[in-house]
Amino acid sequence: DQQVKQNSPSLSVQEGRISILNCDYTNSMFDYFLWYKKYPAEGPTFLISISSIKDKNEDGRFTVFLNKSAKHLSLHIVPSQPGDSAVYFCAASLGTYKYIFGTGTRLKVLA
Amino acid sequence: DTAVSQTPKYLVTQMGNDKSIKCEQNLGHDTMYWYKQDSKKFLKIMFSYNNKELIINETVPNRFSPKSPDKAHLNLHINSLELGDSAVYFCASSQEGDRAYGYTFGSGTRLTVV
Repeated sequence: DQQVKQNSPSLSVQEGRISILNCDYTNSMFDYFLWYKKYPAEGPTFLISISSIKDKNEDGRFTVFLNKSAKHLSLHIVPSQPGDSAVYFCAASLGTYKYIFGTGTRLKVLA
Repeated sequence: DTAVSQTPKYLVTQMGNDKSIKCEQNLGHDTMYWYKQDSKKFLKIMFSYNNKELIINETVPNRFSPKSPDKAHLNLHINSLELGDSAVYFCASSQEGDRAYGYTFGSGTRLTVV
């Protein structure tokens, strides 16, 4: 039972444009959400998080939006850069010690 | 200075062998984890330790035994390795109460069972 889904396995975007990565979840009790970026042969690195009491969080070029009624979150990267090319995972938490991850979306930013 | 370090990075072994993966973090975090990324790229939690105490033990075969000698170390021992154990294993750490920052992951150990 996949509680966190990233339905787009891959996405290509032109450099300088906006990248939008999407994530859907099924459990309305999730109370914290995170995005991670992963390069090949490396571990995932933390990007940005959002609490369920908020609907938006921004950090530089990265913004996460949360739509609780739709059980949907998205990560916006503006402007996209070639160095952003990586696999992006969303994750959701029910409590302090456990995050459930999506399967990832591979973003390719074309120069 | 690596924050979360795992050794070895690659491990190729035969079915039936016993192997260990080591993890150390120098972030002063109080919670450590093992995650498994399978061939379908799912990242699934296996174990979580808080201050050396096991707090999460997902449905993992008991051939997998974690050990935390202190809060900076979490090792994973696997007995009687099977082909299906082939995966990338990630160690991670976090600080209780700092949920906004999630985990810090190691670079992973790619285990191949032949």
